[in-house]
Amino acid sequence: SAVISQKPSRDICQRGTSLTIQCQVDSQVTMMFWYRQQPGQSLTLIATANQGSEATYESGFVIDKFPISRPNLTFSTLTVSNMSPEDSSIYLCSVSRETNTEAFFGQGTRLTVV
Amino acid sequence: DAKTTQPPSMDCAEGRAANLPCNHSTISGNEYVYWYRQIHSQGPQYIIHGLKNNETNEMASLIITEDRKSSTLILPHATLRDTAVYYCIVRSPGYSSASKIIFGSGTRLSIRP
Repeated sequence: SAVISQKPSRDICQRGTSLTIQCQVDSQVTMMFWYRQQPGQSLTLIATANQGSEATYESGFVIDKFPISRPNLTFSTLTVSNMSPEDSSIYLCSVSRETNTEAFFGQGTRLTVV
Repeated sequence: DAKTTQPPSMDCAEGRAANLPCNHSTISGNEYVYWYRQIHSQGPQYIIHGLKNNETNEMASLIITEDRKSSTLILPHATLRDTAVYYCIVRSPGYSSASKIIFGSGTRLSIRP
């Protein structure tokens, strides 16, 4: 298994500001994923972040709004930029070591934009 | 887009087996079937996965049809703590974005006392 620590666990932010969410894993992992879960909805993939390469963003998500860093095999950050109330969601980090094995999820960051 | 379809909700009596169906009619030969669940306000939890053979672990059993177009997750003795949203996912092998995990709408399972 993998233990994932996400920080902060929750935050309330003013519109127009930015928040950086950290994802720390207790061991090296190949793939890291960032998701958004809006209230009452399923998880939506924002981007895939592999170490040593640019993040790959899903349709509807752009790097200017959600810049991602992946400096090493145990750490990644997601920034939510120029926030609006529509960005209020839970943001989750997920990791996978190898193909065809389970992915592990952090407990999420609950973001409220006011 | 998600490659699976699931009923939006189901319920089951405590102590009985809960059988959750999933259709994945466009699954490719090298794609695995994964099941996760999400208990309220927590991150998704891995349950089980398989390619074409039936699988069993301490949490559940996974039955995949011979044509691989559908599968069933079985919780043999459901408890109140199994109340959650259950997600069926197909995933490609590899280290590229092709092996990303795409969630569908899932099945909200309610266990009644």
